Amino acid sequence: GAGVSQSPSNKVTEKGKDVELRCDPISGHTALYWYRQRLGQGLEFLIYFQGNSAPDKSGLPSDRFSAERTGESVSTLTIQRTQQEDSAVYLCASSLSGGANQPQHFGDGTRLSIL
Amino acid sequence: GNSVTQMEGPVTLSEEAFLTINCTYTATGYPSLFWYVQYPGEGLQLLLKATKADDKGSNKGFEATYRKETTSFHLEKGSVQVSDSAVYFCALSAMNRDDKIIFGKGTRLHILP
Repeated sequence: GAGVSQSPSNKVTEKGKDVELRCDPISGHTALYWYRQRLGQGLEFLIYFQGNSAPDKSGLPSDRFSAERTGESVSTLTIQRTQQEDSAVYLCASSLSGGANQPQHFGDGTRLSIL
Repeated sequence: GNSVTQMEGPVTLSEEAFLTINCTYTATGYPSLFWYVQYPGEGLQLLLKATKADDKGSNKGFEATYRKETTSFHLEKGSVQVSDSAVYFCALSAMNRDDKIIFGKGTRLHILP
């Protein structure tokens, strides 16, 4: 497709379970970002991949969160031992390259609900 | 470190009112500045941007001017419509081409008919 694709669109799981969220960026985009958006809150940066550079993990809230990216394609965000405070919309974005002058293109997000 | 501060919402206006959403930033050097918009039920999308001081970004009747002296990038529209109801995010990106974009917390705008 032409845009950033995220799956699943909705995920409901029990506290303590692991979840894996997927992002397919726009083809050719070297930069990929994950954000979290809690209900009524702004965007919270989680992690940033740019080409072959080491990812910027400075936004990951705890060691239960991790993300991987295969080359310049698909990325997965994994949350282990989920907690209720992990409930949020997880957004993925990609851009042609990182940094200035490159707008980010966002997916529709995965709405995660932890029971 | 780099940061963005924008006015808290929600902001509620009547149709055809004048809109200002304030945004100020902290950054080293000369960042690029952006406004993104998230309409109900849709994903975020770029609204406008400015890449150097005194530049004015504009789109869909919205404008924002990059003011280095006040480190601001306030979003304005002369006459809002109900369809402008959305969440607006101010953002910046440092000049290092590999640096990430930093977003403000967003401002929810409600326009009443």
